[in-house]
Amino acid sequence: DVKVTQSSRYLVKRTGEKVFLECVQDMDHENMFWYRQDPGLGLRLIYFSYDVKMKEKGDIPEGYSVSREKKERFSLILESASTNQTSMYLCATRYLISGYEQFFGPGTRLTVL
Amino acid sequence: DQQVKQNSPSLSVQEGRISILNCDYTNSMFDYFLWYKKYPAEGPTFLISISSIKDKNEDGRFTVFLNKSAKHLSLHIVPSQPGDSAVYFCAARTGNQFYFGTGTSLTVIP
Repeated sequence: DVKVTQSSRYLVKRTGEKVFLECVQDMDHENMFWYRQDPGLGLRLIYFSYDVKMKEKGDIPEGYSVSREKKERFSLILESASTNQTSMYLCATRYLISGYEQFFGPGTRLTVL
Repeated sequence: DQQVKQNSPSLSVQEGRISILNCDYTNSMFDYFLWYKKYPAEGPTFLISISSIKDKNEDGRFTVFLNKSAKHLSLHIVPSQPGDSAVYFCAARTGNQFYFGTGTSLTVIP
């Protein structure tokens, strides 16, 4: 079974703080993704990574950056958290050869006060 | 602009009956479509998919239909079971990007 873990299930931060969300996978998948899920908007792609040290912007990258120094780990960074970044953050992975389905972590509910 | 739309936020169905979840898209470059199921406090899990060169794909109780001319996708669940109660997302792929709908919350009433 593919295991995708996210560092926290719930996180509360203050406006202006730098926030790190970590995602770790154990199945050697090349692609990794960060989404945010908001009511009425579905899942929106923030960033994705083809492979180690490679990244591409998704639909809503503003206010975020990412890091992928090792294949199994993909970090999402909020440089200066704002209240409009309060959301559910979902990490996903995809194995290039097996198909297009993505494997999701359980999500991190981030609240920015 | 939402390229993948699920216009029904919720659906209730009696156990044993058919559930039909709908999805519309606008981008004709989408070449692969997927359905995911999401329980509360969990990430979405993959359910079934279909390539744009097909019009139907079946897996047990789940069937996905694709109407390219109408840019419409539907998921049929027959028979529906209480354990199917979840939020269902459709997704579409172009290149390396995936676009998700807003989700439909399905409730199967025992």
